[in-house]
Amino acid sequence: GAGVSQSPSNKVTEKGKDVELRCDPISGHTALYWYRQRLGQGLEFLIYFQGNSAPDKSGLPSDRFSAERTGESVSTLTIQRTQQEDSAVYLCASSIAGTPNTEAFFGQGTRLTVV
Amino acid sequence: QKEVEQDPGPLSVPEGAIVSLNCTYSNSAFQYFMWYRQYSRKGPELLMYTYSSGNKEDGRFTAQVDKSSKYISLFIRDSQPSDSATYLCAMIDNQGGKLIFGQGTELSVKP
Repeated sequence: GAGVSQSPSNKVTEKGKDVELRCDPISGHTALYWYRQRLGQGLEFLIYFQGNSAPDKSGLPSDRFSAERTGESVSTLTIQRTQQEDSAVYLCASSIAGTPNTEAFFGQGTRLTVV
Repeated sequence: QKEVEQDPGPLSVPEGAIVSLNCTYSNSAFQYFMWYRQYSRKGPELLMYTYSSGNKEDGRFTAQVDKSSKYISLFIRDSQPSDSATYLCAMIDNQGGKLIFGQGTELSVKP
């Protein structure tokens, strides 16, 4: 597809379980971002990839959160031992390499509910 | 204090009104300023971006940046019900990297 694709679109999990969220960026976009959006809130930065490297992971809220990217393409955000406060929409965006990355294209997000 | 402050609203206006949306920021290193629109249960989409201070117009939308006051605005003329969405400002410095977003303002345009 032409846009950023995220899967699953919805995920309900039990507290304490691990979850993996996937992002397929637009082909050729070397910059990739993960954001978290709680209900009624703005976008909270989690991590930024340039290629397969993450020069800025300052937004990851705890060591339960990790992310990787391979082949300068797909990225996976993993949340271990999920807690109810992890419930949110997780948004992925990608943009063409370069500075600044002014035009980031967003996916539809993964809506995570921890019960 | 957050790096970017934005009034969450909600803001309700009649069709045809002029809408003014605003953000303030604290980091003087921000050079690029964006406005995103987000419809319910959708990802944000870029509306406009502006470099440094000045105005930029695109159809019914005008973006203004005043770096001396650390204040940016988005004006929507002749607002339409289809403009009803959440509007998020975002900023980035010259080093690139992460976009910093405001909280978003929820706008409702009533027919």
